[in-house]
Amino acid sequence: EPEVTQTPSHQVTQMGQEVILRCVPISNHLYFYWYRQILGQKVEFLVSFYNNEISEKSEIFDDQFSVERPDGSNFTLKIRSTKLEDSAMYFCASSELGSIREQYFGPGTRLTVT
Amino acid sequence: GENVEQHPSTLSVQEGDSAVIKCTYSDSASNYFPWYKQELGKRPQLIIDIRSNVGEKKDQRIAVTLNKTAKHFSLHITETQPEDSAVYFCAASPSGNTGKLIFGQGTTLQVKP
Repeated sequence: EPEVTQTPSHQVTQMGQEVILRCVPISNHLYFYWYRQILGQKVEFLVSFYNNEISEKSEIFDDQFSVERPDGSNFTLKIRSTKLEDSAMYFCASSELGSIREQYFGPGTRLTVT
Repeated sequence: GENVEQHPSTLSVQEGDSAVIKCTYSDSASNYFPWYKQELGKRPQLIIDIRSNVGEKKDQRIAVTLNKTAKHFSLHITETQPEDSAVYFCAASPSGNTGKLIFGQGTTLQVKP
């Protein structure tokens, strides 16, 4: 069964550094998402992406964040200047369509900002 | 703003008993309500979902009910087994077609053998 994959599984970075988290969505899916989960808390929506543009973003997704689909398979989340509070598990998800369609999550990247 | 409240935060049951987790949502135009199971250190896994035109859906030992008037939906697990132990998250998809999911706070379910 196809799955969403993410790399790396764990990323440690220093405050102020840029990080890029990578995702490979399920191949026939058209909508892509990033969520984050701070340890012990609920999953929070960051951004949705369709047809090579952001379709919706949350308040968390400020100017320090950006997303890109650089080729036909990868979907990336960039944080330009990381802060301590960016430490969290970041999940990528994908769905066949955006509306009323099941979202399948990747295994996550644990980002630790020191 | 959009919000999903989930209760209880922890639930402990004996193996074989039933477990019920409840969620309420704020956006009356929400039209899709999935439930995810997350084992420790793993990805959230979709276990069941319900759409706004349906009141109840069942899949083996798992069922979900939706009351649109009350903006309330629930997960029911019957004949619980130790492998059901995990954190369960409800979510709602608000109006619009971006697919955004708003998650509840999670329920830690412990099934004691």
